[in-house]
Amino acid sequence: GAGVSQSPRYKVAKRGQDVALRCDPISGHVSLFWYQQALGQGPEFLTYFQNEAQLDKSGLPSDRFFAERPEGSVSTLKIQRTQQEDSAVYLCASSLRQGASQPQHFGDGTRLSIL
Amino acid sequence: DAKTTQPNSMESNEEEPVHLPCNHSTISGTDYIHWYRQLPSQGPEYVIHGLTSNVNNRMASLAIAEDRKSSTLILHRATLRDAAVYYCILRPLYNFNKFYFGSGTKLNVKP
Repeated sequence: GAGVSQSPRYKVAKRGQDVALRCDPISGHVSLFWYQQALGQGPEFLTYFQNEAQLDKSGLPSDRFFAERPEGSVSTLKIQRTQQEDSAVYLCASSLRQGASQPQHFGDGTRLSIL
Repeated sequence: DAKTTQPNSMESNEEEPVHLPCNHSTISGTDYIHWYRQLPSQGPEYVIHGLTSNVNNRMASLAIAEDRKSSTLILHRATLRDAAVYYCILRPLYNFNKFYFGSGTKLNVKP
């Protein structure tokens, strides 16, 4: 079946522009996660949804970052007034159920470059 | 937050076994041990996880020390497609939504 799909695959924006990154999780997956991965480093947690509820947004680096999942399926990560330090790969992952033993299924990410 | 320590890089020959170590001396009794790997330009891929007992699946085996302060991911016959960054991650039972990846081990497989 289809895996986690992220779009666009690449995004270039000028500093100060707003961007929106989309994640289509595996159908029926309850949990959805966003991560930020800087070059040469491991992914870092940004936020977590269970269905449409955003249960943890403690990893969002500033109030310029906003995520939503209004119908409990597709999610969008929005970054307002982008800065150069926002350049990174943004990864989305989903899992069938919540819980510490649940594997996460990752998309291939959106590579964001801020000029 | 419990952290893990892994070697920065390792090298293996094709078709030989690979043992990737991970130290997690501050692990709590309810932390699950997960392993993921990430190939270039791809998202991380789940490999295996365990709690206390050793685990086997089609991709790998996970050996967990008796005191749970370390674990080893075993690839039984490395192939060139196994060249990736391997992450050992602790996932708390009661705060499971956060994964802490660390820097991982970059595995190079020589033909």
